[in-house]
Amino acid sequence: EAGVAQSPRYKIIEKRQSVAFWCNPISGHATLYWYQQILGQGPKLLIQFQNNGVVDDSQLPKDRFSAERLKGVDSTLKIQPAKLEDSAVYLCASSLDGPSVSPLHFGNGTRLTVT
Amino acid sequence: GESVGLHLPTLSVQEGDNSIINCAYSNSASDYFIWYKQESGKGPQFIIDIRSNMDKRQGQRVTVLLNKTVKHLSLQIAATQPGDSAVYFCAEIRVPNQFYFGTGTSLTVIP
Repeated sequence: EAGVAQSPRYKIIEKRQSVAFWCNPISGHATLYWYQQILGQGPKLLIQFQNNGVVDDSQLPKDRFSAERLKGVDSTLKIQPAKLEDSAVYLCASSLDGPSVSPLHFGNGTRLTVT
Repeated sequence: GESVGLHLPTLSVQEGDNSIINCAYSNSASDYFIWYKQESGKGPQFIIDIRSNMDKRQGQRVTVLLNKTVKHLSLQIAATQPGDSAVYFCAEIRVPNQFYFGTGTSLTVIP
């Protein structure tokens, strides 16, 4: 079974620039998540999709972050404009069903550095 | 070796010894818990899960214990190997259907 694919692996941008991350979940997984992981901390949920609908985006900074999941499969996360504090690893995860039913499987993340 | 979750984020053990990593959770309504292992440069990897109707669950070299009375979760790794060196996170499912991760415990295995 192929895992969760993310790209790019690394991205360096200057503050106020924009950036986008892409995620392809495990085939057949209905639920997709984006997490932000700051160095030395546990992952923090940004947004959760069930198929192509948003289940929870309460912790997404909507003034600068946006995400979409086209056709209930791939997803993109965008930051515009980026701030220094956005430097982190952005992890995508998917699960067969909701998080109370099946475990999350993570990709290896995109490491973003904002200078 | 044994850790005390968030108050002791590092744990060093000798190769071959057993490791115990602890985690305290806050929400008594949480009913699903997962342990993840994260190696440097990689995403968290599923190790083992347990639901609140169980006290213990065993996998290959790992055992998870759940004490709902004191809201405590532990991960036991038998015969710890150098490949077990990583950061270990416990995650709990909270209403409404959100996984929350703790800060994690860094395990170092000494050859």
